[in-house]
Amino acid sequence: KAGVTQTPRYLIKTRGQQVTLSCSPISGHRSVSWYQQTPGQGLQFLFEYFSETQRNKGNFPGRFSGRQFSNSRSEMNVSTLELGDSALYLCASSSQGGPYNEQFFGPGTRLTVL
Amino acid sequence: SQQGEEDPQALSIQEGENATMNCSYKTSINNLQWYRQNSGRGLVHLILIRSNEREKHSGRLRVTLDTSKKSSSLLITASRAADTASYFCAPFINAGNMLTFGGGTRLMVKP
Repeated sequence: KAGVTQTPRYLIKTRGQQVTLSCSPISGHRSVSWYQQTPGQGLQFLFEYFSETQRNKGNFPGRFSGRQFSNSRSEMNVSTLELGDSALYLCASSSQGGPYNEQFFGPGTRLTVL
Repeated sequence: SQQGEEDPQALSIQEGENATMNCSYKTSINNLQWYRQNSGRGLVHLILIRSNEREKHSGRLRVTLDTSKKSSSLLITASRAADTASYFCAPFINAGNMLTFGGGTRLMVKP
């Protein structure tokens, strides 16, 4: 099976712009989670989608949003970008989500906000 | 906020030596997982230990869990240069039903 893919791999934006990142999970996986990784805050959970519904959400402002399509592909959107949004954004898929399902991570999208 | 904290933050050893990384967490967990990350890339799942388990093995990896002390350890035996990576503990916390990550231990294995 193909692994989790994320596009684009690198992105440069300026403050105030918005950005959309895409994640294609492993075929058959229905859960997609998003994480933000920064040197200062480490890896932080953004949200999880399962069968097109947001099932769980971390502690991020409303500028961060996401959605999942019927084919389980997911997008996350960040509006009104701030310098502090510069990070590696990782998505992970699992078959059902939840505590006992292994998460498979994509390579990440590195976002730089200037 | 991070629920797990790894210790040490960085570790440098020679090939063939064992590497031990420790993790402490704050709240009640369903399980605890360990992941490896190579140089800013995606994470790779290594092992999952459930809250009612005390020890688990997978190849050269040995994980222990002490829920009374809210701590876990990852032991990599007979390390190889290819083990050079950052290692993260990830408690799956009951409150919030989510996977959380510690700050990671950067392991360097010198050939």
